[in-house]
Amino acid sequence: QQPVQSPQAVILREGEDAVINCSSSKALYSVHWYRQKHGEAPVFLMILLKGGEQKGHDKISASFNEKKQQSSLYLTASQLSYSGTYFCGTENTGNQFYFGTGTSLTVIP
Amino acid sequence: NAGVMQNPRHLVRRRGQEARLRCSPMKGHSHVYWYRQLPEEGLKFMVYLQKENIIDESGMPKERFSAEFPKEGPSILRIQQVVRGDSAAYFCASSPTHSGTDTQYFGPGTRLTVL
Repeated sequence: QQPVQSPQAVILREGEDAVINCSSSKALYSVHWYRQKHGEAPVFLMILLKGGEQKGHDKISASFNEKKQQSSLYLTASQLSYSGTYFCGTENTGNQFYFGTGTSLTVIP
Repeated sequence: NAGVMQNPRHLVRRRGQEARLRCSPMKGHSHVYWYRQLPEEGLKFMVYLQKENIIDESGMPKERFSAEFPKEGPSILRIQQVVRGDSAAYFCASSPTHSGTDTQYFGPGTRLTVL
């Protein structure tokens, strides 16, 4: 039930780009992306609803391929503030919501 | 507009005691979700409740754990006879509806330590 994220961890230098993937074995209705800083609550980034939908704000965007049951989060020109653990949350067509396994992102100067 | 509130923020219990965690959803939100996060791990779904109803408790251990969301007052996650393995951060989230269009807003979490 739990979606799988890849990579598990990534280290970037400031200004570099990263892609985080989220795959589910179940048909998906929506994908949510969250970022969690150490010791803090998860913070919402964005929701994607339709197959092929893409969204973004600032330098963080995401896509959702409904047919492949996958979503990807794109971080461009990374900043130190992007460091944290990124979780996808998927709602399947059975109305169940699960968080992914998480991807630890560290941005270094 | 207050966000999701959880209390206590930190809770220390000895093995065998009971832990009661409270979650007040955002105003206007009638859907509450509880998650457990073990150290250095992801968020694991436990239970989803609407007012006075448990909708999905598939992630909750069958024994010692229970949850409620009464008509009045906060949602409560109750852990009886706590064991060391229960030590974790427990987050609740709320949303206005149970829909893929709605964000789940998270509370600050309760960090439970079992001695």
